[in-house]
Amino acid sequence: QVQLVQSGAEMKKPGASVKVSCKASGYTFSDYYIHWLRQAPGQGPEWLGYINPKSGGTSYAQRFQGRVIVTRDTSIRTVYMDLSRLRSDDTAVYYCARRGPTFDYWGQGTLVAVSS
Amino acid sequence: QSALTQPPSASGSPGQSVTISCTGSSNDVGGYNYVSWYQQYPGKAPKLIIHEVDKRPSGVPDRFSGSKSGNTASLTVSGLQAEDEADYYCSSHGGSSNFALFGGGTKVTVL
Repeated sequence: QVQLVQSGAEMKKPGASVKVSCKASGYTFSDYYIHWLRQAPGQGPEWLGYINPKSGGTSYAQRFQGRVIVTRDTSIRTVYMDLSRLRSDDTAVYYCARRGPTFDYWGQGTLVAVSS
Repeated sequence: QSALTQPPSASGSPGQSVTISCTGSSNDVGGYNYVSWYQQYPGKAPKLIIHEVDKRPSGVPDRFSGSKSGNTASLTVSGLQAEDEADYYCSSHGGSSNFALFGGGTKVTVL
């Protein structure tokens, strides 16, 4: 069965960077784009960007351009999301999701808490 | 403030129907047939229940249905059950600069 398993919760100080991983299994890794989204407490999800696992090509939401980088390691079927210059309002649960016609499978989520 | 507008809450008794609206613009909901709906329980990841306006993934009960008219999409839950009590989010493609837009969510309560 399709599974996306993310790394564990992180606590960071303002200005730091965080790297979250997402390991895929149960399907052909190169066939589906992997997207990153986040959800702040009490709010709807917000799209950050995606990667094409086959080519490594990426696209990011304009408001995160220059702060987010998504990479992949095809040998271990894992995608990474790196967010830099963290602020307190980056505190959220970060999700990876597979894109079929839509976001059909999601990871379990990774809490990133930013506080001084 | 979310890009798509949903009512914050909706409720109904068991067996009744509830309809949730999701209003966008001609640049997103009205411009594409890529509206999705997700169900989310507290502390869990969103689960896809409707895609491409009115398509149900395998395993999703036919009590869930979707539609769209102009810039507004709707999710209807018929024959409400206690397990339907959850948060529901709509999403739409928003073009190359806004790949995926979401609503702020609607909390459905089964009375």
